[in-house]
Amino acid sequence: DAEITQSPRHKITETGRQVTLACHQTWNHNNMFWYRQDLGHGLRLIHYSYGVHDTNKGEVSDGYSVSRSNTEDLPLTLESAASSQTSVYFCASRDRGLSEAFFGQGTRLTVV
Amino acid sequence: KNEVEQSPQNLTAQEGEFITINCSYSVGISALHWLQQHPGGGIVSLFMLSSGKKKHGRLIATINIQEKHSSLHITASHPRDSAVYICAVSVNNDMRFGAGTRLTVKP
Repeated sequence: DAEITQSPRHKITETGRQVTLACHQTWNHNNMFWYRQDLGHGLRLIHYSYGVHDTNKGEVSDGYSVSRSNTEDLPLTLESAASSQTSVYFCASRDRGLSEAFFGQGTRLTVV
Repeated sequence: KNEVEQSPQNLTAQEGEFITINCSYSVGISALHWLQQHPGGGIVSLFMLSSGKKKHGRLIATINIQEKHSSLHITASHPRDSAVYICAVSVNNDMRFGAGTRLTVKP
């Protein structure tokens, strides 16, 4: 069965360190997204990609970057982790056009 | 004001009760999604709809495009329905999310 997986599921890191969260999907979807989920807020878009070598900034992109070298993967990098980036991160993928979204299990990141 | 508003924020029900969660949006959309998130868990898509009504088991979702409003109903609620229910709208290729409704069903 096709799926979307995130790793790690939990991560604790120190302020200032670079951190990369992995997202891998086997749906062969062109569209992939990274969101963060915080108490009191809905899911907020960090970065997104509509295909290989395409990346775009979302609503809360400062301090984050992504790259898309193949269809399956969209890693999210925190260049220099800050305590404000403590959150739960979700990756999602969708086919082109009007289609259902599929979400990963989430990564809980704590920056100390 | 958020583009997607849900009510209520929190909801507690007794097992067997009929439950309604509401979603209003203020932007033009191509579809509306209802998502479910169990505590500590991932997010699962329940429905995607652009008109009318859809039913899956005890769950029913309706949408009124003219009024920009959708409802999610759960009939004969059960403790395993306890979760956060999230309304989201598709705007072009993007999705915008409500803050979620936390549902607790007590036995």
